[in-house]
Amino acid sequence: AQTVTQSQPEMSVQEAETVTLSCTYDTSENNYYLFWYKQPPSRQMILVIRQEAYKQQNATENRFSVNFQKAAKSFSLKISDSQLGDTAMYFCAFMEYGNKLVFGAGTILRVKS
Amino acid sequence: DTEVTQTPKHLVMGMTNKKSLKCEQHMGHRAMYWYKQKAKKPPELMFVYSYEKLSINESVPSRFSPECPNSSLLNLHLHALQPEDSALYLCASSPPDRENTQYFGPGTRLTVL
Repeated sequence: AQTVTQSQPEMSVQEAETVTLSCTYDTSENNYYLFWYKQPPSRQMILVIRQEAYKQQNATENRFSVNFQKAAKSFSLKISDSQLGDTAMYFCAFMEYGNKLVFGAGTILRVKS
Repeated sequence: DTEVTQTPKHLVMGMTNKKSLKCEQHMGHRAMYWYKQKAKKPPELMFVYSYEKLSINESVPSRFSPECPNSSLLNLHLHALQPEDSALYLCASSPPDRENTQYFGPGTRLTVL
């Protein structure tokens, strides 16, 4: 079975600094998709970034970028110039096939002023 | 546009009540999902509808009954729930050109007394 591991239950960062959230996953497949979702206290689950495993280039969305290491099965999220609004629970998720997302346990990120 | 709407935002019900949760999207998405999320935990998949047909049921108790009356609407009928069913219920959908990507609604906070 596919698993997603987020080893950092909680993290803090100062406003304007950079923070990296870790995620590893386990699969025997070659084609799959990886995601980072953000869930602020308002509870809406928001798609932050998406990576297709067959693409070697790391995905970026404004201040958010990933470091995708396929051989190591690692998919970390870097948030640059952290803002107070980035405070949220961040979930790493994996999809192999069949519409089933597998989520990690989540990392609570607190941005401090 | 990736807007998924859910009503109501909050629902309190007794164990003998019958209620329904509603999810709507008008983006032509053909896959829709129900998730259950407990506090500080990742979402757990309950049901998947693909082209208005139930394609995945994750062994959910029969007191939860999904319905997809048309391509824009997904309901979750609730009957004889237990207090442990109290949770955030999230709906998601996937566009036809990105079936591997799920966009979430804001959720319904359900409390069962």
